[in-house]
Amino acid sequence: QVQLQESGPGLVKPSETLSLTCSVSAGSISGSPYYWGWIRQPPGKGLEWIGAVFYTGSAYYRTSLKSRVTMSVDTSKNQFSLKLTSVTAADTAIYYCTRLLTQRPVDYWGQGTLVIVSS
Amino acid sequence: EMVLTQSPATLSVSPGERATLSCRASQSVSSNLAWYQQKPGQAPRLLIYGASTRASGIPARFSGSGSGTEFTLTISSLQSEDFAVYYCQQYNNWPPTWMFGQGTRVEIK
Repeated sequence: QVQLQESGPGLVKPSETLSLTCSVSAGSISGSPYYWGWIRQPPGKGLEWIGAVFYTGSAYYRTSLKSRVTMSVDTSKNQFSLKLTSVTAADTAIYYCTRLLTQRPVDYWGQGTLVIVSS
Repeated sequence: EMVLTQSPATLSVSPGERATLSCRASQSVSSNLAWYQQKPGQAPRLLIYGASTRASGIPARFSGSGSGTEFTLTISSLQSEDFAVYYCQQYNNWPPTWMFGQGTRVEIK
């Protein structure tokens, strides 16, 4: 059973960079056919797909966040990461890491981690 | 970029009644559409994929239909545990994207 676990600061100051890591257990990122993605949900609002990264480093992002997002993979640690620059209060959300396959829905979710942007 | 529009935003239904939720895509997604249920404090739960295939363990009262740009989730007889928020999601092959609709809240009437 694949397990995903998010980690990172729960509080980030405005204009700074939000950095999260997702650790993957029971399955290797390297060489797998999966994309590793991030989905967020602001408090009381809907789900928003942020982007996804393949183990080779190829990444795809939603258009509205493309200028601020970078996703990467560390196959040696079996982890993948999200960096979101120049954050504002609008980036306050629960951030979920996920496992994805093209032409398939999300099959595994992390438990989610709340990140608050505030000074 | 793909946009999914769900309607209505809120649906008020009495227990035992039928609920019909809609999802419209800005361009064809073929049958690459899923429905999720989310309850407070929980991650979303997959209900339907491939527009009409129930995920493992999902009761038969949940059904999905549609293809192309118009999709429907039907809950045939609402149970108390079905009051939640429902999201549609498209999953595209190329470029790989997994966009969500804005959600429909199903509340007790």
